[in-house]
Amino acid sequence: DAGVTQSPTHLIKTRGQQVTLRCSPISGHKSVSWYQQVLGQGPQFIFQYYEKEERGRGNFPDRFSARQFPNYSSELNVNALLLGDSALYLCASSSPGTGEKPQYFGPGTRLLVL
Amino acid sequence: AQRVTQPEKLLSVFKGAPVELKCNYSYSGSPELFWYVQYSRQRLQLLLRHISRESIKGFTADLNKGETSFHLKKPFAQEEDSAMYYCALSMIGDMRFGAGTRLTVKP
Repeated sequence: DAGVTQSPTHLIKTRGQQVTLRCSPISGHKSVSWYQQVLGQGPQFIFQYYEKEERGRGNFPDRFSARQFPNYSSELNVNALLLGDSALYLCASSSPGTGEKPQYFGPGTRLLVL
Repeated sequence: AQRVTQPEKLLSVFKGAPVELKCNYSYSGSPELFWYVQYSRQRLQLLLRHISRESIKGFTADLNKGETSFHLKKPFAQEEDSAMYYCALSMIGDMRFGAGTRLTVKP
């Protein structure tokens, strides 16, 4: 298994645009979480999905949305991009069960908003 | 409010010296705590979790509910331990990370 994969690896957008980030979990993992990591800080929780249902949401504006597909892959969408959205976006999956189990992280998508 | 605090952004020790990376948490429920590590140019990976009470790469961490701490310790640091370390608190539908401590082990 290649582990958690994310695409694209890098992305450059301009303010006001919309972006979609993609994540494929480890085979057999049903829970996917999204994090934003700004330079110099730890990952900040955005969303958690389990069995295609949202189980948790961090303190992020409604411009951020996500979904999980029947194959457990996930997309994170960010609308009306702001300069402050520039960050590394991490996806993590966890083994069957609740999201409290150890999470396995992808390499991240680095988003730059100009 | 749930919070994880890692008071040291940077920590530098010599090879063979003991190392302790501090982590304090704030949570009213029963905490589930983890340490994650990120080596240079690698993805974030789990180092250990308090429930398993295991030792990974010589590191141990003990949950102290009285002091609300989960410090990471290793008796003899190695150069390959140089990395970014994050303490994390897992809750239902949420996970909080500390800001991280960059550990440098000097030869």
